[in-house]
Amino acid sequence: SQQGEEDPQALSIQEGENATMNCSYKTSINNLQWYRQNSGRGLVHLILIRSNEREKHSGRLRVTLDTSKKSSSLLITASRAADTASYFCATETGGFKTIFGAGTRLFVKA
Amino acid sequence: DAGVIQSPRHEVTEMGQEVTLRCKPISGHDYLFWYRQTMMRGLELLIYFNNNVPIDDSGMPEDRFSAKMPNASFSTLKIQPSEPRDSAVYFCASGSGTRGNGYTFGSGTRLTVV
Repeated sequence: SQQGEEDPQALSIQEGENATMNCSYKTSINNLQWYRQNSGRGLVHLILIRSNEREKHSGRLRVTLDTSKKSSSLLITASRAADTASYFCATETGGFKTIFGAGTRLFVKA
Repeated sequence: DAGVIQSPRHEVTEMGQEVTLRCKPISGHDYLFWYRQTMMRGLELLIYFNNNVPIDDSGMPEDRFSAKMPNASFSTLKIQPSEPRDSAVYFCASGSGTRGNGYTFGSGTRLTVV
């Protein structure tokens, strides 16, 4: 069963624009992670935010976490065509059990 | 570091045959996960190990699926007998117990059961 639900399911934007993806989950977590998957490839870890953190940055990525609403958002600023991929949130609960959401497909038009 | 290595990359087998997927985690990682990805069901956690011991296998769909980790550098996922609905991409991922670095995924094994 999936713990996280991403929104939107698909997103199409122009190069240079910002892309925002949201993730909601159901149970208490230790941390929340975001991954990227290019077509036909394995997943690549982007960023991890702990349950006691509210915001984290890494390059053009900004992640927020609201544990009271059980939700997170991933912002990609100044998007590039190379950012075209599927993005997944993953929640780690007790014992390092890590469950993935359904993902958001991002398409960045050059 | 060669990353997480999975083999084979592609596997086509006939229904009823036994299939064995292999994974070599990153040296020093003490957690290993097996996931299955399909269009319909997304990424499903099948089983994960800590220090070679299975911790949670509640995602293993049926008794036809079994996984082992005989040592810290090798794990297998076996399906016997295989069925067409097992067709999917199977990923192995490894990580350390230090929370903060996420997990490293292999390139996956694309399994087709005909």
